[in-house]
Amino acid sequence: AQSVTQLGSHVSVSEGALVLLRCNYSSSVPPYLFWYVQYPNQGLQLLLKYTTGATLVKGINGFEAEFKKSETSFHLTKPSAHMSDAAEYFCAVAGNTPLVFGKGTRLSVIA
Amino acid sequence: SQTIHQWPATLVQPVGSPLSLECTVEGTSNPNLYWYRQAAGRGLQLLFYSVGIGQISSEVPQNLSASRPQDRQFILSSKKLLLSDSGFYLCAWSGSASYEQYFGPGTRLTVT
Repeated sequence: AQSVTQLGSHVSVSEGALVLLRCNYSSSVPPYLFWYVQYPNQGLQLLLKYTTGATLVKGINGFEAEFKKSETSFHLTKPSAHMSDAAEYFCAVAGNTPLVFGKGTRLSVIA
Repeated sequence: SQTIHQWPATLVQPVGSPLSLECTVEGTSNPNLYWYRQAAGRGLQLLFYSVGIGQISSEVPQNLSASRPQDRQFILSSKKLLLSDSGFYLCAWSGSASYEQYFGPGTRLTVT
């Protein structure tokens, strides 16, 4: 069985500050890990993914995430927040089942 | 390129009325198809997924059903809507050998 825990249902950062959204996973098989972003009243958009290989993956809009097997984590970061980053972010894991999503973290960016 | 369509975009239905939401995918063959629901303030709940025509897996018991009459068409239905069926319904597809999913724009359903 697989599961995802996103720490913090709501995160607020100032514009220009570091964005850190936390994701921990549980998987009985080597995981495939994903981050999605959802803007209000829209579908989810794939930000980045980890399958195999390099553990630091870069995605769209300046986001990146690092797979740490020893910590079972896949935290999402961005060096400098923009107002346009305000959205809901979902971490997801797959391995031997369809994607399992976390409950999401709402990111607010304060001017 | 692949695109995914959902309609309608918004829907207001009375309790006890039927429901039909449609999802179609273009630009790919034999996709895996998924229906999700997002209730207000909650995460994504996988309702159904399909790996082929006529093959439907149900993830949770509920008032809803799904059908896949064509390779790239996925339909979500209900005979009698409940208030608790209100939410944002999302359709997604993935390649048959891939885990990453691509989502449609969603349908906002309000049951009154």
